[in-house]
Amino acid sequence: EAGVTQSPTHLIKTRGQQATLRCSPISGHTSVYWYQQALGLGLQFLLWYDEGEERNRGNFPPRFSGRQFPNYSSELNVNALELEDSALYLCASSKDSFYGYTFGSGTRLTVV
Amino acid sequence: SQQGEEDPQALSIQEGENATMNCSYKTSINNLQWYRQNSGRGLVHLILIRSNEREKHSGRLRVTLDTSKKSSSLLITASRAADTASYFCATDAGYQKVTFGIGTKLQVIP
Repeated sequence: EAGVTQSPTHLIKTRGQQATLRCSPISGHTSVYWYQQALGLGLQFLLWYDEGEERNRGNFPPRFSGRQFPNYSSELNVNALELEDSALYLCASSKDSFYGYTFGSGTRLTVV
Repeated sequence: SQQGEEDPQALSIQEGENATMNCSYKTSINNLQWYRQNSGRGLVHLILIRSNEREKHSGRLRVTLDTSKKSSSLLITASRAADTASYFCATDAGYQKVTFGIGTKLQVIP
């Protein structure tokens, strides 16, 4: 069974540009979660998608947005990039958080 | 904001020794989960303990949960160099709101 896949692995962008990160969940998982992990910090919850709908979002500005497609894959978009957006972005999927999450390997975004 | 806080933030032990990490949290939870992260990669789910459970085992891992003290501990017995990683606790307060701590960095010296 394929795990959670994220692309790209690394992404370098210039301040002010837009970044698009992608995530494919485990087959059968309808929920996708996005987290930001800045250097030396814990995981900060960004977004939760389920059945194509945004169900919850963390304390991030509106320039962080995303969507979930009919095949349950998801996209995270970050507009007007700032230097402090540099971080590891992790995607996870689950049937339900009752069972725990399966994480992808992450996308390391560097804003220069 | 962080719900869970791991303690200690860093731990260095010799191979073969036991490693104990603690997690404290603030609000009621449905379950508590422990994850491992190697070198800034994705997190690996280790074990989940529900709020009505007090202890759970998985291989060399033992997790305890004390809901009255709002704390949990993760014990890794007979540690190996391959156990070197960051360990995170995550609390599930319901409605898919899973919050992670800042982690404990474990170094196992061969």
